[in-house]
Amino acid sequence: LAKTTQPISMDSYEGQEVNITCSHNNIATNDYITWYQQFPSQGPRFIIQGYKTKVTNEVASLFIPADRKSSTLSLPRVSLSDTAVYYCLVAMDSNYQLIWGAGTKLIIKP
Amino acid sequence: DAMVIQNPRYQVTQFGKPVTLSCSQTLNHNVMYWYQQKSSQAPKLLFHYYDKDFNNEADTPDNFQSRRPNTSFCFLDIRSPGLGDAAMYLCATSSSRGRGSYNEQFFGPGTRLTVL
Repeated sequence: LAKTTQPISMDSYEGQEVNITCSHNNIATNDYITWYQQFPSQGPRFIIQGYKTKVTNEVASLFIPADRKSSTLSLPRVSLSDTAVYYCLVAMDSNYQLIWGAGTKLIIKP
Repeated sequence: DAMVIQNPRYQVTQFGKPVTLSCSQTLNHNVMYWYQQKSSQAPKLLFHYYDKDFNNEADTPDNFQSRRPNTSFCFLDIRSPGLGDAAMYLCATSSSRGRGSYNEQFFGPGTRLTVL
């Protein structure tokens, strides 16, 4: 049974780099990985998507090792406004199942 | 700005009284999704449309139905709401690279459903 697992919560401080890792041991060849951010009472917002190696955009980086059994979302120099829940999602190409992680509640302290 | 709009933002209904939630999009995406999200839980996919093709998740109760009359609009019908159906309902859209390969999802703000 496909599953994505991520830490329930993390704390960090303003200005630090935060790394959140998601494990997806049953990922298949054509499945891809997406991360979303969600604030209270809002819909999730896309952060980054990747298939292998490293992807970087203006807000985050996504590191995916060669075996693709995990992925790490990296948020550089976080601020208080990055306090949110972060979800890892694996979209399974074979049957279009969406496997959401339970979410990581990230709290940024001053 | 292109967006996903959900109406109403808050909906109160009575136990067993049918309710309809609506979603519209200006992104012209061919895929539309409905999710249920309960407090402190991840979104749970109920179903999605790939163009006009309806795709139901295996564990979505029959109490939940959906309609997509055109590309822009999608409706979620809850035929007989129970107390356990109180939740945030999220609509999302995405474009597709082809069957089974969908791009990032754009979410609406959600409709919070209360069942009395």
